[in-house]
Amino acid sequence: SYVLTQPPSVSVAPGQTARITCGGDNIGSESVQWYQQKPGQAPVLVVYDDSDRPSGIPERFSGSNSENTATLAISRVEAGDEADYYCQMWDSSRDVVFGGGTKLTVL
Amino acid sequence: EVQLVESGGGLVKPGGSLRLSCAASGFSFSSYAMNWVRQAPGKGLEWVSSISSGSSYIYYADSVKGRFTISRDNAKNSLYLQMNSLRADDTAVYYCATTVTAHNAFDVWGQGTMVTASS
Repeated sequence: SYVLTQPPSVSVAPGQTARITCGGDNIGSESVQWYQQKPGQAPVLVVYDDSDRPSGIPERFSGSNSENTATLAISRVEAGDEADYYCQMWDSSRDVVFGGGTKLTVL
Repeated sequence: EVQLVESGGGLVKPGGSLRLSCAASGFSFSSYAMNWVRQAPGKGLEWVSSISSGSSYIYYADSVKGRFTISRDNAKNSLYLQMNSLRADDTAVYYCATTVTAHNAFDVWGQGTMVTASS
């Protein structure tokens, strides 16, 4: 089955840009989504179809996807961005695949 | 307001059964595929099962295949997950989720219901 690989943790200072990667074999040919999850809450979609943002998500959140790596970038990071982030895609069998998740810490 | 509300979680002994429900409101439930996603304590998200709008297409994760059954009742705007032969590693918060406006993505989630399989 398809595997999506994320770093367990990423740390960034307030005001800087955080980049969270999601690796997979030829992932650039697939549509990738990103979810933010804060403790005790359900996940929230922040990016879909590689780089589109749902209504209400700040422009500070952006996505890209090429070759074997998809990336979620969060610019001008704020304390409120501290959360777990998950990438997700649909594999060739129409099964849903999630990455293992990345804990974003704002220093 | 678009909303999903799960219910039916609880404590069950290993080998037991449980049926989860997800009540939908605020959107045309019968037009959308529905999904179950779970999260074990302190762990990441794991997709469990998906069902198409008319129930023609159903998919399961290998970890639950043969034990769990997804179904829906479009007349009642409800999604279900029948869980049999529960194991300790099925312990998790179970979320229902769907795609209403964002292509390929789960843009609506319920608040989750906790299932604990323990003796």
